[in-house]
Amino acid sequence: GAVVSQHPSWVICKSGTSVKIECRSLDFQATTMFWYRQFPKQSLMLMATSNEGSKATYEQGVEKDKFLINHASLTLSTLTVTSAHPEDSSFYICSASDRGKVYEQYFGPGTRLTVT
Amino acid sequence: SQQGEEDPQALSIQEGENATMNCSYKTSINNLQWYRQNSGRGLVHLILIRSNEREKHSGRLRVTLDTSKKSSSLLITASRAADTASYFCATDKGGGNKLTFGTGTQLKVEL
Repeated sequence: GAVVSQHPSWVICKSGTSVKIECRSLDFQATTMFWYRQFPKQSLMLMATSNEGSKATYEQGVEKDKFLINHASLTLSTLTVTSAHPEDSSFYICSASDRGKVYEQYFGPGTRLTVT
Repeated sequence: SQQGEEDPQALSIQEGENATMNCSYKTSINNLQWYRQNSGRGLVHLILIRSNEREKHSGRLRVTLDTSKKSSSLLITASRAADTASYFCATDKGGGNKLTFGTGTQLKVEL
């Protein structure tokens, strides 16, 4: 149980285009989803927290107009990287909290974004 | 911002040996969690220890927490090659389940 999927697992896009990444909780209802980015051999940095049906809360330094987050249902959150640039290339990971186990987060397998 | 610092940054041991990783943090916490990440993959939750707990076990894993020193350790006993991965501590300060991750320890277990 407690499986989180991400799609796509990797994506290559051209500079200036937008990319959407999906995060789904497959067998539980996720009241809260989190989006992280991770640079090679570095730790995870929290980008934003999204609660179903409300606006995402962004961490300091994260541009909300560039990283659009939508949490439309209890099983789906999306991250859209708008007008992507090479410096946005990174590993993006989502996680979700099960409303019944609020202290645990279940992580997706990550999405490798490469902007050329 | 990074809350946790982990050491060592990298650790290489032989199969069967024990591996110890340490994590230090700066502010008060509600709980501390340890995660494992295989290269290029997502994270797997290993164990959670609450601020009022001092030690916790799960299989070959033993976690300690010293809130006075703001530090935690993860011990993996009788390591296996399959334990090769990066290990991260993450602190939850409470109020929303936001996690702040440490810098991570890359563990390599050799046959």
